[in-house]
Amino acid sequence: SQQGEEDPQALSIQEGENATMNCSYKTSINNLQWYRQNSGRGLVHLILIRSNEREKHSGRLRVTLDTSKKSSSLLITASRAADTASYFCATVIIQGAQKLVFGQGTRLTINP
Amino acid sequence: DAGVIQSPRHEVTEMGQEVTLRCKPISGHNSLFWYRQTMMRGLELLIYFNNNVPIDDSGMPEDRFSAKMPNASFSTLKIQPSEPRDSAVYFCASSNGFRGGAHEQFFGPGTRLTVL
Repeated sequence: SQQGEEDPQALSIQEGENATMNCSYKTSINNLQWYRQNSGRGLVHLILIRSNEREKHSGRLRVTLDTSKKSSSLLITASRAADTASYFCATVIIQGAQKLVFGQGTRLTINP
Repeated sequence: DAGVIQSPRHEVTEMGQEVTLRCKPISGHNSLFWYRQTMMRGLELLIYFNNNVPIDDSGMPEDRFSAKMPNASFSTLKIQPSEPRDSAVYFCASSNGFRGGAHEQFFGPGTRLTVL
């Protein structure tokens, strides 16, 4: 079963609005990462948040992590048409081989 | 830096044929990952190497799939014989660090494989 699950599966908003995507996971993690994928392209790393961190910022991106609820959120402020893409959370679990497990992603559409 | 390089970008083949996908990781990176992406199953890790050694191949679907990393700058993923259900986009990614997949990964553009 998926370690990470994003919510919603699809999100459509107007340019300039904020977009919030959520990710839930099942087992204890080492860190959680967010990636973006434009249509027909490879994934691009956006931000990494460690299990002992609660919030992290990068430009217009804000990521929060709540390990007690096993959830994370990605907020994109002042969205732009170029933000249209799929966004994936990926977790690195503590036990076993250190590898990323991806969720199914949120398809974000920014309407001009 | 040129980033992760994959070839070919597109491959169309007939069922039963051998398919070889190639990857050149970013110079200096010590971990390399092969993923498969489909609409039904999402992004799945097939295998990953650390310092050219396979660490976790639990995601390799079956014996028809094999992967090698003969040196730090080259890896192959081979499917023999190929089947229509192998149709997917295959990504290679690399990272640098002592904890395998726990670090930021850099993805290649992918190879879109279609098996007829």
